[in-house]
Amino acid sequence: EAQVTQNPRYLITVTGKKLTVTCSQNMNHEYMSWYRQDPGLGLRQIYYSMNVEVTDKGDVPEGYKVSRKEKRNFPLILESPSPNQTSLYFCASSLLGEGGYTFGSGTRLTVV
Amino acid sequence: GQNIDQPTEMTATEGAIVQINCTYQTSGFNGLFWYQQHAGEAPTFLSYNVLDGLEEKGRFSSFLSRSKGYSYLLLKELQMKDSASYLCAPNTGGFKTIFGAGTRLFVKA
Repeated sequence: EAQVTQNPRYLITVTGKKLTVTCSQNMNHEYMSWYRQDPGLGLRQIYYSMNVEVTDKGDVPEGYKVSRKEKRNFPLILESPSPNQTSLYFCASSLLGEGGYTFGSGTRLTVV
Repeated sequence: GQNIDQPTEMTATEGAIVQINCTYQTSGFNGLFWYQQHAGEAPTFLSYNVLDGLEEKGRFSSFLSRSKGYSYLLLKELQMKDSASYLCAPNTGGFKTIFGAGTRLFVKA
């Protein structure tokens, strides 16, 4: 089944403790992206990648890192999480030049 | 700057027709997506309009006017399962898509 898999689905952590949210897609998509979703603000892009070793900042990159060492994987790293990073996170992928993202199931992160 | 406007909430009756409007101002524009998102779930792709006009896909249709910066999503024969948020998302070029805050649609019996 074609899908984007994110893990974990839920995570509660403490301020300053490094964490990684994994994202993997099995559709051979070139394009991958991370979004956060907060009430009233919609989905905001954190980082995106157009292919292996090619990443760029989205609209809200501060406090986040990404890497794209393999085409299928695009992990999101929070080196030192803070409470304002409490949010619902989505990974998405698509073929370059084609419309329509496929989204992962989301990761609900709480930083206390 | 970039701006997307869509109503926060709408309520409609099962079996009826509802139109969800979206206006946008973006620095670039390639086309416009509509996504459906049920509470607590991931968004799912509904439509992508590149050219002006109406595109119909089953019970859902989407309209685009590039000159007016305006789109709408039309849902016919509403069902309870259509209760969800609907996200208007212009593609601003360079494979970048920005999302509106979404319209929460409540379908009542």
